Amino acid sequence: DTGVSQDPRHKITKRGQNVTFRCDPISEHNRLYWYRQTLGQGPEFLTYFQNEAQLEKSRLLSNRFSAERPKGSFSTLEIQRTEQGDSAMYLCASSPTRDRRSGNTIYFGEGSWLTVV
Amino acid sequence: RKEVEQDPGPFNVPEGATVAFNCTYSNSASQSFFWYRQDCRKEPKLLMSVYSSGNEDGRFTAQLNRASQYISLLIRDSKLSDSATYLCVVNGASGGSYIPTFGRGTSLIVHP
Repeated sequence: DTGVSQDPRHKITKRGQNVTFRCDPISEHNRLYWYRQTLGQGPEFLTYFQNEAQLEKSRLLSNRFSAERPKGSFSTLEIQRTEQGDSAMYLCASSPTRDRRSGNTIYFGEGSWLTVV
Repeated sequence: RKEVEQDPGPFNVPEGATVAFNCTYSNSASQSFFWYRQDCRKEPKLLMSVYSSGNEDGRFTAQLNRASQYISLLIRDSKLSDSATYLCVVNGASGGSYIPTFGRGTSLIVHP
């Protein structure tokens, strides 16, 4: 399978615990994105990497959230001291260097569902 | 005003109907546009890009109106399998040209 893969697919954690999600993008894609989605809403942008550089972070990304992409390949998203409001699906997506015709088409992984109890 | 706005619906239509969704965006400098489809509890998947001249893919037609800052998706001859949420996506909606911004999605229910 050469798509975007995410791990774990489901995580249930107690409030206050730390959680980490991993994303492996499509191998030739140098751009990687993290989004968060709750029921009835569209995906909300969290952060974006080009290779190993984190180029954009949303205001939504509180200081409890940190993302890394150390070698420009896989990425991790860590949430510290989880709160119930962090319960959501965390989506990773990747895209190749921008194609003039198609613009910046992004491809999603299946998502990591987080439930904070 | 939200950067990308969609009517959440649901749009409830019979099989065979034609249905259209609109999406408006606030940043006139936005650069590229897409429609994604999302099934319940699944990830969004690219349905089609939206080109300035408009484009068609089978039963699906997408159009862009830069002057009025909206994009549309037309589905002809609806099938039961078209039931899903349709997400409008705009690149550069919030000023970052490589940041795709999603609308909240429009729910479509096609019934027999």
